[in-house]
Amino acid sequence: AQSVTQLDSHVSVSEGTPVLLRCNYSSSYSPSLFWYVQHPNKGLQLLLKYTSAATLVKGINGFEAEFKKSETSFHLTKPSAHMSDAAEYFCVVANNNNDMRFGAGTRLTVKP
Amino acid sequence: EPEVTQTPSHQVTQMGQEVILRCVPISNHLYFYWYRQILGQKVEFLVSFYNNEISEKSEIFDDQFSVERPDGSNFTLKIRSTKLEDSAMYFCASSANRGYEQYFGPGTRLTVT
Repeated sequence: AQSVTQLDSHVSVSEGTPVLLRCNYSSSYSPSLFWYVQHPNKGLQLLLKYTSAATLVKGINGFEAEFKKSETSFHLTKPSAHMSDAAEYFCVVANNNNDMRFGAGTRLTVKP
Repeated sequence: EPEVTQTPSHQVTQMGQEVILRCVPISNHLYFYWYRQILGQKVEFLVSFYNNEISEKSEIFDDQFSVERPDGSNFTLKIRSTKLEDSAMYFCASSANRGYEQYFGPGTRLTVT
């Protein structure tokens, strides 16, 4: 069985400062990993995905994530936060059948 | 760009009533999914569907739930007798094939009173 743990339920940063959203995964095989973003009253939008190619994955809106097998981590980062980045972020692990399991989510607040 | 659509965006129903949530997946996709997100909680997998059959379901997906692809374009989730705890956002998703990226719809907010 696979699962993810998002280590912070809420992260608050100032505009222009770096963002770090932490995710650890558990999987008995090589997982696929995803980060999705959910803006208020909106659906889920894929930010980026890791599927056993390059360990550093670049996504939309300047986000990127690094797959670290030794640490079973897939943390999401962005060098400089923008007000529009304020949203809920979900780390997701999928098995070979693409059955997805979501983390609990991290709410990102961006202060002016 | 093709997208998954869901109707209605918000459904209010009384406890004990049946509801049908509708989804139109991306047209050439073969795998379909339903997820649920209770307010303030994580997104939970309900069921996956392929070739007109359920391929996997979670423990949440009990006998009051059913899914159907009635006409080759719609994918529906039926809740036979709604309970207060069924109040949640329900997301539909589709993927081109097993192991491919899932595309999510905007969700249907179900409120059971």
